[in-house]
Amino acid sequence: DGGITQSPKYLFRKEGQNVTLSCEQNLNHDAMYWYRQDPGQGLRLIYYSQIVNDFQKGDIAEGYSVSREKKESFPLTVTSAQKNPTAFYLCASSIDPPGAWNTEAFFGQGTRLTVV
Amino acid sequence: SQQGEEDPQALSIQEGENATMNCSYKTSINNLQWYRQNSGRGLVHLILIRSNEREKHSGRLRVTLDTSKKSSSLLITASRAADTASYFCATDARRDDKIIFGKGTRLHILP
Repeated sequence: DGGITQSPKYLFRKEGQNVTLSCEQNLNHDAMYWYRQDPGQGLRLIYYSQIVNDFQKGDIAEGYSVSREKKESFPLTVTSAQKNPTAFYLCASSIDPPGAWNTEAFFGQGTRLTVV
Repeated sequence: SQQGEEDPQALSIQEGENATMNCSYKTSINNLQWYRQNSGRGLVHLILIRSNEREKHSGRLRVTLDTSKKSSSLLITASRAADTASYFCATDARRDDKIIFGKGTRLHILP
């Protein structure tokens, strides 16, 4: 079964801690994305990657970091510099990067992060 | 940067009626996509319409695109309780290399 998997589903972070959210896809997609969703809001882009070993900041990258060492993996670290990290985090992938032909995005089921 | 804006923000209709949601955007696009999100879940892709297309159908879904007005509409015909969800438009803008989502329309189908 091909798909995109996020883990964990729920995550609790203490003040001042870094946490890493996992995102794995076996769809052989080049592009991967991280979005943040706050209650009743749309999705805001944190980081995106069009190819292995390359990634770009989105609209709200401050306090977050990513890596793309393998095509199938795009982990997101929420650092202590992110002052308001409580949110729903969504990872997505697409065959082609934006601007190309096939940019339909496939989403994981999300990770709900709560600061305690 | 907010590219797409959905209208209305919320919509409640009776089961069996048609639901129409609109999306407006600001800059030229390669394509526009519609997604559905059930509460607390990931988004599911519904339909993609390219900038040179005007209308597209998929089952009970009909999407139109008017590039001169920079707007799109999503019509769901013969609505069902299972259609209750949030619906988002997303634009693949020509000047950016990223997909930008709007804030969504919350659709509630009343039994």
